[in-house]
Amino acid sequence: SQQGEEDPQALSIQEGENATMNCSYKTSINNLQWYRQNSGRGLVHLILIRSNEREKHSGRLRVTLDTSKKSSSLLITASRAADTASYFCAAYGNNRLAFGKGNQVVVIP
Amino acid sequence: EAGVAQSPRYKIIEKRQSVAFWCNPISGHATLYWYQQILGQGPKLLIQFQNNGVVDDSQLPKDRFSAERLKGVDSTLKIQPAKLEDSAVYLCASSPFSPGLAGNTGELFFGEGSRLTVL
Repeated sequence: SQQGEEDPQALSIQEGENATMNCSYKTSINNLQWYRQNSGRGLVHLILIRSNEREKHSGRLRVTLDTSKKSSSLLITASRAADTASYFCAAYGNNRLAFGKGNQVVVIP
Repeated sequence: EAGVAQSPRYKIIEKRQSVAFWCNPISGHATLYWYQQILGQGPKLLIQFQNNGVVDDSQLPKDRFSAERLKGVDSTLKIQPAKLEDSAVYLCASSPFSPGLAGNTGELFFGEGSRLTVL
């Protein structure tokens, strides 16, 4: 089954800096999704990129997808303290959504 | 629009005891999922329902875990007997799409989760 894997797993940055997270997956996908999870809360969908897309933007989020390398990256620009959370990529294919291990991002005010 | 509701939010039990979690998905969502999230890891799918039928339970430890969605709306996940390694957050999610349906993006809507501690 597909399994996203993020790298690095922990990131600490100053407010205003950019945060970049990477993810790899193993098999063919329909799309690649990113979710955010605040401490003790459920996951919230952030952005989805289809397998035929290479880059997508949504507000301060930028996601890229390289299907030849089976990898994706999530960039959060001008980070804020409220961006402190865990971020998970999820590979969707064969009617199943498989999550990676997650990146913990701490934004220091 | 109300989100996915889960209860209880927290539960502490001793090993070998039983526990049940309840989930009410977003109104009209046909597909319901239960995920297990162990601390520091990503969610792992336990079971997927479409209406009241099981679509995928290949990763459900059926010797101790069971789940049902009898009327195709809310769902219950039960663990009996619990083991120490079952300590985790149990996340319920729903989707308006059915598996294989054209236009299904796989996007899920999650509840807040039920945190289980097994002592």
